[in-house]
Amino acid sequence: AQSVTQLDSQVPVFEEAPVELRCNYSSSVSVYLFWYVQYPNQGLQLLLKYLSGSTLVKGINGFEAEFNKSQTSFHLRKPSVHISDTAEYFCAVSIPMNNDMRFGAGTRLTVKP
Amino acid sequence: EAGVAQSPRYKIIEKRQSVAFWCNPISGHATLYWYQQILGQGPKLLIQFQNNGVVDDSQLPKDRFSAERLKGVDSTLKIQPAKLEDSAVYLCASSPRGGRATEAFFGQGTRLTVV
Repeated sequence: AQSVTQLDSQVPVFEEAPVELRCNYSSSVSVYLFWYVQYPNQGLQLLLKYLSGSTLVKGINGFEAEFNKSQTSFHLRKPSVHISDTAEYFCAVSIPMNNDMRFGAGTRLTVKP
Repeated sequence: EAGVAQSPRYKIIEKRQSVAFWCNPISGHATLYWYQQILGQGPKLLIQFQNNGVVDDSQLPKDRFSAERLKGVDSTLKIQPAKLEDSAVYLCASSPRGGRATEAFFGQGTRLTVV
């Protein structure tokens, strides 16, 4: 089965600084990749997804991610973060033919003033 | 478009009691998921339905957990009897097409506390 590893459990960063949240996946077949954000006491909201085509994917709230097949990575980036970006971020992978979506353990992004 | 609805939002029960959670997916979505999210961890897939059939329940503790999806629409997840380690947020999600998961839409979850 496919799996996801998020390399950092916590990432503290100052406001307006750039940030990168790292995600690596493992799968023997082609995959779809996702980043979700979870604010306190809320469900998961989709930030962006990679299905096919261009390896650079742009999402909501100024986030983007790059699919790197050779390194099996899908890192999330934002050039300048805001206090409101403080949340838990989850990378997820699914197998197109069976809708089986698996999540990483999450990265807690804390943006400090 | 209405989102995924879950109830209740919060539930506190004593160990060995029973509990049930309800989920109403987005209209027309073929795939429905139940995830368990323990504090500080990512969501873990418990069961996946395609219409009213089970696609994957390999991580469902079947000795105490059960789930059904009536007529391929609403779903209920039950725990009987509950253990302390079942304390978690239970997330329901749905996906628009069978066979190709372009994304999953999540409800707000049910926070279960077992004391």
